[in-house]
Amino acid sequence: TQLLEQSPQFLSIQEGENLTVYCNSSSVFSSLQWYRQEPGEGPVLLVTVVTGGEVKKLKRLTFQFGDARKDSSLHITAAQTGDTGLYLCAGGSNYKLTFGKGTLLTVNP
Amino acid sequence: DADVTQTPRNRITKTGKRIMLECSQTKGHDRMYWYRQDPGLGLRLIYYSFDVKDINKGEISDGYSVSRQAQAKFSLSLESAIPNQTALYFCATSDTGQINYGYTFGSGTRLTVV
Repeated sequence: TQLLEQSPQFLSIQEGENLTVYCNSSSVFSSLQWYRQEPGEGPVLLVTVVTGGEVKKLKRLTFQFGDARKDSSLHITAAQTGDTGLYLCAGGSNYKLTFGKGTLLTVNP
Repeated sequence: DADVTQTPRNRITKTGKRIMLECSQTKGHDRMYWYRQDPGLGLRLIYYSFDVKDINKGEISDGYSVSRQAQAKFSLSLESAIPNQTALYFCATSDTGQINYGYTFGSGTRLTVV
């Protein structure tokens, strides 16, 4: 069974601070995706990374895929209250996704 | 209209009742999935279907069944609901061979079994 461990489980910060959340596995994935989920809604895809060492930027969010394709990180610069939500990583293999349990981020004004 | 529509959004049912959750999509995707989400346990795969004639069990299929009525429709049934099936249920779709493009999720059905 492929497992994805996300850390930290909970994170509460002030607006304007920077943060990094992590997604780690002992398994190699063909791709790794990050989703954000807001209360009462389904997860929404933020980014997909497929190449070891790949870095993608989405405005203030920077995503990195580990060289060995087993881990990933999400860095948010100058967090805003609108960044509040549950951040999920998901590893792709055999056309199915395995999800981590998520990091619940709260950005306080 | 949403790309992936789930009905109902909320449902309270009694133990032992049969209940069906429905999912329809306008994405034109072949692949559809049912997940349940529980606090502290994340999203877990119940069933998935890669085309109309294909049904596969996920990691937690016991107590559930599915029907793929058409490319656009995938329903989940609880034959005899029990309280530990209380959860948030999500339907998702993905494009054939395009796993790297990610899943599109519905808004979920919050099911409570009393």
